[in-house]
Amino acid sequence: QKEVEQNSGPLSVPEGAIASLNCTYSDRGSQSFFWYRQYSGKSPELIMFIYSNGDKEDGRFTAQLNKASQYVSLLIRDSQPSDSATYLCAVFYAGNNRKLIWGLGTSLAVNP
Amino acid sequence: NAGVMQNPRHLVRRRGQEARLRCSPMKGHSHVYWYRQLPEEGLKFMVYLQKENIIDESGMPKERFSAEFPKEGPSILRIQQVVRGDSAAYFCASSPSRVGTGSYEQYFGPGTRLTVT
Repeated sequence: QKEVEQNSGPLSVPEGAIASLNCTYSDRGSQSFFWYRQYSGKSPELIMFIYSNGDKEDGRFTAQLNKASQYVSLLIRDSQPSDSATYLCAVFYAGNNRKLIWGLGTSLAVNP
Repeated sequence: NAGVMQNPRHLVRRRGQEARLRCSPMKGHSHVYWYRQLPEEGLKFMVYLQKENIIDESGMPKERFSAEFPKEGPSILRIQQVVRGDSAAYFCASSPSRVGTGSYEQYFGPGTRLTVT
């Protein structure tokens, strides 16, 4: 059973701090990794995707992938109250019919 | 470039009625996915379709639920004889038609909130 695990939180950080969100996955054959943000009552919104080991930066967001340890993380620098949301990790496995396997999400609260 | 479109945004049905949810994927996308989300819960995969084909329906309940993606027109998720437990947010997502690494991201529509009274 392929699984994606996230700490449900809530993760609480002060405004301006770095928020660190983690995700582990069970299958070493995983190829692509995605981070989505979902505000309460809204649909998931793609933030970043990564498929090579290392870091990928986009504005205040950095995705980090470590395939040897089977984890992917999302760092949010200079966190703002508007970053308060649930962050979903999703993983693509080759041969899985283009389906993504989803984590249950981590709730982030950024306190002013 | 229009995003994924879903309608209606809100749908109220009485128990026993049929609910029909529509999804138009982004331009250039030929893969459509339907998800259900209950309040305070995670996304639950229901079905994956391409034009005129159901690729994976492993998450669909065996009865009352069906999905299609015809050659022309939007994808339709149909729920027959709705029950209160069907009340949820139903999201549609689409992904690009290209293949290869970096081609599997999904883009979500705004969702349809179904309420069964």
